[in-house]
Amino acid sequence: KAGVTQTPRYLIKTRGQQVTLSCSPISGHRSVSWYQQTPGQGLQFLFEYFSETQRNKGNFPGRFSGRQFSNSRSEMNVSTLELGDSALYLCASSWRGQNQETQYFGPGTRLLVL
Amino acid sequence: KQEVTQIPAALSVPEGENLVLNCSFTDSAIYNLQWFRQDPGKGLTSLLLIQSSQREQTSGRLNASLDKSSGRSTLYIAASQPGDSATYLCAVYNFNKFYFGSGTKLNVKP
Repeated sequence: KAGVTQTPRYLIKTRGQQVTLSCSPISGHRSVSWYQQTPGQGLQFLFEYFSETQRNKGNFPGRFSGRQFSNSRSEMNVSTLELGDSALYLCASSWRGQNQETQYFGPGTRLLVL
Repeated sequence: KQEVTQIPAALSVPEGENLVLNCSFTDSAIYNLQWFRQDPGKGLTSLLLIQSSQREQTSGRLNASLDKSSGRSTLYIAASQPGDSATYLCAVYNFNKFYFGSGTKLNVKP
C-alpha cells in the first residue's frame, strides 16, 4: 500500500503571496489531519478533515484553510504569507480519525517564506 | 489548556544501553497517548499507541507505559542501536486535538 504523499516537498514564497499544499492519504483512509512544525513552537495541530467535513480545528488564524475532496485527498491553503509561516507542514491520515487510531504521516512540505 | 513536556531534550548513550524517555502532561483527561519517531527532515512514524484505559504497550524492543493519574508516560528502549538515533515525540489526544511535546533527540553512539 502506498504511504501518505505530500506535494510539493519544498516551496519558496515571498511575503503576501498565497500557497496551496496537497496531501494524498493512504488508500481507504477517510481522515486527514494537518500540522505545522517549527523549531520554536514544535508540532501544532491545524485541522482535521473527515469525509469532506472539517471535524476539528486548532488555534490558527483564518489565513489557514483547508478542504477535502471526495477521494479523501486534502489541500491546505495559506493566504497572505508571513515570515513566521515558514515551517514543515505535515499531513497524516487514518481510517476512522485521529482520535481513534494510529495516524500515518507524510514526509511533509517544507515552506520557506522570504 | 493541555501542555506536554518531554525530558530530557537530548540524550546521548553508547550502543547496547537500555534507556528511558519521559513525557508528562498537565491534564489527565486524555483519550490516548502516542509515541512517535522523527528522523531528520522526515515525517513522523508512529511507534506505540496507548488508549486511556491501558497501562502499557509493547512492540519489539520498545515498551511504553501510561500513568494517567500522575500525568506521565515513559518510553523504554532496550538494547539501543545506532539506528534508534532520532527525535522521539509523545502526543496526547484530548479536547478534540493532539498536543505534542517538543521531543527528545536521541543519539546512540556505535
